[in-house]
Amino acid sequence: KAGVTQTPRYLIKTRGQQVTLSCSPISGHRSVSWYQQTPGQGLQFLFEYFSETQRNKGNFPGRFSGRQFSNSRSEMNVSTLELGDSALYLCASSLIARGEQETQYFGPGTRLLVL
Amino acid sequence: GQNIDQPTEMTATEGAIVQINCTYQTSGFNGLFWYQQHAGEAPTFLSYNVLDGLEEKGRFSSFLSRSKGYSYLLLKELQMKDSASYLCAVNHNYGQNFVFGPGTRLSVLP
Repeated sequence: KAGVTQTPRYLIKTRGQQVTLSCSPISGHRSVSWYQQTPGQGLQFLFEYFSETQRNKGNFPGRFSGRQFSNSRSEMNVSTLELGDSALYLCASSLIARGEQETQYFGPGTRLLVL
Repeated sequence: GQNIDQPTEMTATEGAIVQINCTYQTSGFNGLFWYQQHAGEAPTFLSYNVLDGLEEKGRFSSFLSRSKGYSYLLLKELQMKDSASYLCAVNHNYGQNFVFGPGTRLSVLP
């Protein structure tokens, strides 16, 4: 079974631009979560989508948004990019077969550099 | 607020046993997870505890005490490939809502 895939793997943008990142979960997985990882702040939770609805949200500004499609694929959008948005953005998927929280499987990440 | 603490760095010798501690203070608790992350790669799942006690998976074991807000990951028969960062994460709300610790960078020396 294929793992979590993320595109693109690398991205360079300039301040003020916007960016859209894509995540395809493991087949059959219904929950998709997004994280930002930086050397200074570590791994921080952005949001979780389940059945096309945002179920949980971390403490990030409204410039960070996302959505989930009917096939469970998810996109994350960052508008008005700032230098501090440079980070590794990780997507993780979970099966959620029993309505309980389960193990998350991470994708390889998208490394975003904002100049 | 949510807070998870782990030692920043640890060093151990090949073949030895190492224990990585994690303490947490979160508003809720639905389980504690341990992940391994090699440099430049995504985290991979190692172990999961929701009840107090020890969970063993091969060379890796994880322990949880909910009353003390404490967990540890035990790695036995260390190998060079175990050099990585180890992340402690707590699911503190309904669904997949995790707070991660800063990670412990483990170096295994020959």
